[in-house]
Amino acid sequence: NAGVTQTPKFQVLKTGQSMTLQCAQDMNHEYMSWYRQDPGMGLRLIHYSVGAGITDQGEVPNGYNVSRSTTEDFPLRLLSAAPSQTSVYFCASSYSRQGAMNTEAFFGQGTRLTVV
Amino acid sequence: GENVEQHPSTLSVQEGDSAVIKCTYSDSASNYFPWYKQELGKGPQLIIDIRSNVGEKKDQRIAVTLNKTAKHFSLHITETQPEDSAVYFCAASDNNNDMRFGAGTRLTVKP
Repeated sequence: NAGVTQTPKFQVLKTGQSMTLQCAQDMNHEYMSWYRQDPGMGLRLIHYSVGAGITDQGEVPNGYNVSRSTTEDFPLRLLSAAPSQTSVYFCASSYSRQGAMNTEAFFGQGTRLTVV
Repeated sequence: GENVEQHPSTLSVQEGDSAVIKCTYSDSASNYFPWYKQELGKGPQLIIDIRSNVGEKKDQRIAVTLNKTAKHFSLHITETQPEDSAVYFCAASDNNNDMRFGAGTRLTVKP
């Protein structure tokens, strides 16, 4: 049971480039989310999905797109990378939305992204 | 929306001592308060959580207390060990909103 798998682990982009961060979970979780972690700011929600075909914006969605075509996969796309997007990105999944069912969120190991 | 504040940002203790991390939240509708531990190079991992109908919960050396009236909750680690060194995050959520995290506390346990 792999849990939540993120790829790549490290990435360097030039300003203006685009890329997709991959996230896959094998726990049949309905709820998946993307966070960014910046020093002194904790984890901030970028986008989330309550099930296949359904996505919504979180606290800091600008500059990012997501899609959820299957239960297992939830990729995060950077359309035109900016230095302000330099961060560590975490994907998480849980059985349901955290508040509604109060269930544990499982996190991937993170992607460290640097935009130069 | 919910705002979670966490203190202190860094905490250094001697092995065997206790460590306490405190969080406050703003939304009185919040009813779920998890604590996550993040080790270097890894993603956060749930270590304990508490719901609003409970005032205290213990799991071996870890305990969490919740004061709904004052809107604050705390993590207590007793008999600290070097492997407790990590970054700890508190969070809060309710039935209609997603989790909001505190800024984190870097705990160092000196042998």
